[in-house]
Amino acid sequence: EPEVTQTPSHQVTQMGQEVILRCVPISNHLYFYWYRQILGQKVEFLVSFYNNEISEKSEIFDDQFSVERPDGSNFTLKIRSTKLEDSAMYFCASNDGGGANEQFFGPGTRLTVL
Amino acid sequence: DQQVKQNSPSLSVQEGRISILNCDYTNSMFDYFLWYKKYPAEGPTFLISISSIKDKNEDGRFTVFLNKSAKHLSLHIVPSQPGDSAVYFCAAAGISGGYNKLIFGAGTRLAVHP
Repeated sequence: EPEVTQTPSHQVTQMGQEVILRCVPISNHLYFYWYRQILGQKVEFLVSFYNNEISEKSEIFDDQFSVERPDGSNFTLKIRSTKLEDSAMYFCASNDGGGANEQFFGPGTRLTVL
Repeated sequence: DQQVKQNSPSLSVQEGRISILNCDYTNSMFDYFLWYKKYPAEGPTFLISISSIKDKNEDGRFTVFLNKSAKHLSLHIVPSQPGDSAVYFCAAAGISGGYNKLIFGAGTRLAVHP
C-alpha cells in the first residue's frame, strides 16, 4: 500500500542552524502539507502546496520557513534559522484533492533544537 | 484557537464494550470531519470521515455520527479491542476542494483493557 515517507526520523540541530526536512508524498497525489506537533500540544497546520506554489499558510509559517518540490517526488520543508521553540514533530501529508479531504500522513520527523 | 475541541483527554474501556469518543466544533463553515488514530512515534492514520450532508457514516467497527445543530460529532468503536488503544484525533476541514487544511482537536487517549 502506498505511503508517505519522511527523512530523517530524528534531527538534532543547534539554534540558528538551517534544517531541511524531507518527504516523499504518495505518487499520484497532488496536494501536499506540512503540520507540526509540539510535545503535549495539538497537531497544527503549517502550509499547503499545490501546483508548485503555496496554497495556504498559517501564521506559524513565517519567513524562516519555506517549502519546495525540487523534483517529481520530494517535498521539503526548510527552516532557515532554527529556534528552540521549533522543536516539535513535523508531519508531511498528501492527498489527491478528489473532493474528499482525507490526508495521508507520514511517520514524522522529530526536530530537536538545542 | 479552540475551533475543534475534544474535552476528554482520556477514556478507558473494557475489551468488547463500546468506546465513544466525542468532539465539538465552533466554526459553522466546517463541512467535512475526520477521525485519525495515532500511535506513539507514528503519524496520524486516517480512520473514517463524514461530510456535513450526512449524519452517520459506518465502516466496520467504526461509526461516526454528526449532529450539525449541536456542532458535535462522535466516534463509536464496537466492539473495542486492545489494538484500538491509541490517541484519537478529531479534525475538521472547510468547504470546497480537497486541499483544505485540517484543524485538529487535542486528542483523546483511548485505553482498551482485557
